[in-house]
Amino acid sequence: NAGVTQTPKFQVLKTGQSMTLQCAQDMNHEYMSWYRQDPGMGLRLIHYSVGAGITDQGEVPNGYNVSRSTTEDFPLRLLSAAPSQTSVYFCASSAGGAYNEQFFGPGTRLTVL
Amino acid sequence: GENVEQHPSTLSVQEGDSAVIKCTYSDSASNYFPWYKQELGKGPQLIIDIRSNVGEKKDQRIAVTLNKTAKHFSLHITETQPEDSAVYFCAASKAATSGTYKYIFGTGTRLKVLA
Repeated sequence: NAGVTQTPKFQVLKTGQSMTLQCAQDMNHEYMSWYRQDPGMGLRLIHYSVGAGITDQGEVPNGYNVSRSTTEDFPLRLLSAAPSQTSVYFCASSAGGAYNEQFFGPGTRLTVL
Repeated sequence: GENVEQHPSTLSVQEGDSAVIKCTYSDSASNYFPWYKQELGKGPQLIIDIRSNVGEKKDQRIAVTLNKTAKHFSLHITETQPEDSAVYFCAASKAATSGTYKYIFGTGTRLKVLA
């Protein structure tokens, strides 16, 4: 199993550009989530999904969109990038239920100029 | 809103000594408390977790304690080794009214084990 994969590993955008961060998992996990990691701020939840067709907002959803059309994929879209979105983004997945381990991807480092 | 505070932000210990990291959560309905270790350039990885119906859990050199009354939980690492050097995150989770659940993470502790 590849686990949780994220692409790209690095990305530089200009203010106002759009892009999609890709996340895929091959463990048939129901729960998937996106976090951003900033120095001194820890991991903050952006959006999460408990299954295909179901998404919900986390702590910091503004400026990001998600969709979950399949169990495997959970892309994160930035519609109009801003310098405040410069961060490291992690995708995670876990089996259904509140007590299961979250498996994290390797992260995407995004810089918005 | 829900919040998890984590202390200290950095911690240096001599190899072989113990390390303790503490977290406090705000939502008394939280019922699951995992700890994650993040090595440089990688995603976090679960090292131990505890549910609200248990006061302590141990796995070799790592233990977690939970005080529900005070709403705080701690990670204890004994006989530290250089490979324990990493960033550690605590988290709290609960089931939402919709049946979903979400995790709130602490701000992380950078542990350095000095040889």
